[in-house]
Amino acid sequence: GQQLNQSPQSMFIQEGEDVSMNCTSSSIFNTWLWYKQDPGEGPVLLIALYKAGELTSNGRLTAQFGITRKDSFLNISASIPSDVGIYFCAGFFTGANSKLTFGKGITLSVRP
Amino acid sequence: DVKVTQSSRYLVKRTGEKVFLECVQDMDHENMFWYRQDPGLGLRLIYFSYDVKMKEKGDIPEGYSVSREKKERFSLILESASTNQTSMYLCASSIPGYRANTEAFFGQGTRLTVV
Repeated sequence: GQQLNQSPQSMFIQEGEDVSMNCTSSSIFNTWLWYKQDPGEGPVLLIALYKAGELTSNGRLTAQFGITRKDSFLNISASIPSDVGIYFCAGFFTGANSKLTFGKGITLSVRP
Repeated sequence: DVKVTQSSRYLVKRTGEKVFLECVQDMDHENMFWYRQDPGLGLRLIYFSYDVKMKEKGDIPEGYSVSREKKERFSLILESASTNQTSMYLCASSIPGYRANTEAFFGQGTRLTVV
C-alpha cells in the first residue's frame, strides 16, 4: 500500500533548538494531518491542514500544506524535553471510503 | 472531548488462540480503522470500515478479520494467533474523507504479545 515519505527515521536535537520535518507523497491529498505519539500511547492529533498553502500554528508548532498538495512540513520551535516522541504525517484523499495514509514516522530525541 | 477507547492496554495470548480486540468511539464517526504498528514499519492498515456491516481490506489483512455490528464499535479478530502477530494495535475513527475538515482520532493502543 501507499505510504508517505518521512525521513530521516530519527532526529537528535538540543533543547531550545528548532526542528523541521517534511512529508512527501507522489499523490495529491486534500487533507494533511500531523500526529505525535508518546511511548506506549496512541497517536494524538497536533495539527490538521485543509487547503493548499495553508499555514497553521498550535503553540510552538507550525505546519504547512504544500501548494502542490503533495507535501507538508511541521516545524517545532524552541524544543523542550517533552517534545520527544514519534511524529507522523498522514494524508486523506477525497472520496467515499477514503482512508488515512501514513508516513513511517520520525523519532525525535531532545538532549537537555 | 473526543474519545476512542480500546478495551485492553496489554494482552498476552497463546499461539492458536482466537483473540478479540475491541474499539468503541463516541463521536458518531462513520469510518473506523485498525492498524498495527511495528518498529521501522510505521502504521500499517489491517482493515477499515466506512459503515455498519461494511468492511474493506487494508494493506495487511491476512490472519485477521473484523466485525462492525454497531456504528460505534469495531472489533478486530485474530482467528488463530501467531507469534508474528505480536505488535501494537491501534484503532482510529474519522468522518468520511469527502466531507470537509476530516480528522482521525486514535485509541490508546493495545500491546498484544503472542507466546
